[in-house]
Amino acid sequence: KQEVTQIPAALSVPEGENLVLNCSFTDSAIYNLQWFRQDPGKGLTSLLLIQSSQREQTSGRLNASLDKSSGRSTLYIAASQPGDSATYLCAVRAPGGYQKVTFGTGTKLQVIP
Amino acid sequence: EAGVTQFPSHSVIEKGQTVTLRCDPISGHDNLYWYRRVMGKEIKFLLHFVKESKQDESGMPNNRFLAERTGGTYSTLKVQPAELEDSGVYFCASSQSGVVETQYFGPGTRLLVL
Repeated sequence: KQEVTQIPAALSVPEGENLVLNCSFTDSAIYNLQWFRQDPGKGLTSLLLIQSSQREQTSGRLNASLDKSSGRSTLYIAASQPGDSATYLCAVRAPGGYQKVTFGTGTKLQVIP
Repeated sequence: EAGVTQFPSHSVIEKGQTVTLRCDPISGHDNLYWYRRVMGKEIKFLLHFVKESKQDESGMPNNRFLAERTGGTYSTLKVQPAELEDSGVYFCASSQSGVVETQYFGPGTRLLVL
């Protein structure tokens, strides 16, 4: 059974700081890994998706890496801004025909102006 | 392009009543998923439709939950009868079929069972 863990559960940083969010998963047999952000009372917004054959993906100030063998992914946020404050979730999708996605518990990020 | 929409946004019902949640996926998306987050826990998968067929319903908690996707467009998730532990946020997501299948999520329905 796949388990996804995110550490830390909460993080508070001053504006402008670079930061790293961590995600670990127990079963390395994944199809892809996706990072989402969730704002209070809102749905999930997809940030980056990394296929199992890829090592990283970049979008603007965000960079996500994937190390399947060690069961880890990181989300790097450069030059953090108050608008980055949200809960960040990672989710892994199982391989094969089934598209079941297992979510982590999330990291709640607060960027202080 | 409209995103995934869910109705209602909030629902408060009493234990034993029935509630039906609706999800409209992004137009053209064959895949539709239901997830839920109960208080303090992570988001958990409930089931996956490919068009009108249930591909995977391994996450459905019990037979009080019934999901349908008639015609392969919108989907409904009915809870009957609702119990206190069903309270939480129910998310719907959709994706296209292809090499890269990013799941796009709706805003969720917040269900409170009293």
